[in-house]
Amino acid sequence: DAGVIQSPRHEVTEMGQEVTLRCKPISGHDYLFWYRQTMMRGLELLIYFNNNVPIDDSGMPEDRFSAKMPNASFSTLKIQPSEPRDSAVYFCASSYTSIGGETQYFGPGTRLLVL
Amino acid sequence: KQEVTQIPAALSVPEGENLVLNCSFTDSAIYNLQWFRQDPGKGLTSLLLIQSSQREQTSGRLNASLDKSSGRSTLYIAASQPGDSATYLCAVYPMDSNYQLIWGAGTKLIIKP
Repeated sequence: DAGVIQSPRHEVTEMGQEVTLRCKPISGHDYLFWYRQTMMRGLELLIYFNNNVPIDDSGMPEDRFSAKMPNASFSTLKIQPSEPRDSAVYFCASSYTSIGGETQYFGPGTRLLVL
Repeated sequence: KQEVTQIPAALSVPEGENLVLNCSFTDSAIYNLQWFRQDPGKGLTSLLLIQSSQREQTSGRLNASLDKSSGRSTLYIAASQPGDSATYLCAVYPMDSNYQLIWGAGTKLIIKP
């Protein structure tokens, strides 16, 4: 398996622009997680899905952020409009089960810089 | 509220030394504790997962221990190598967490050749 795939790997955009991050989880995994990592706040869980259904989006910072999972092999995280404080590394991770038993497998991340 | 602390934040040791990284957590009601490795510019890789009923896990030169009652875990790295240089993060799976990991801030390890 190729592991969790994320695209793009790097994104530079201007404030106010829409940004879409993409993720393909490991085949067969039924949980998908979106994280954000910054030096100041460390690793933060934004939202996670189970069987394509959003379960907990309490970590999504504000209405500018939205995430979808239209099928088991694809998810997007969208920021509209983007702001400089959104600059961070965004990780997608997947697991077979989230209930205390299995680890999470991380993608390489998308480095986002909002100017 | 569960909190995870890792000390030290950074550590630099000569190659070949054995070393210990520390992780502490405030609530012992956890399903498991996990250690991850993060290389610069890369994602996180799971190293070891210790279930709440276990005391330790080993993988090659790595050994992780768990003492739930005291809220502590250690990651022991034997005969360190420059390739071990990375940031090591621990995370706990609290039983009341709504199924999300609670992360430490990590220890940045540098092994000097």
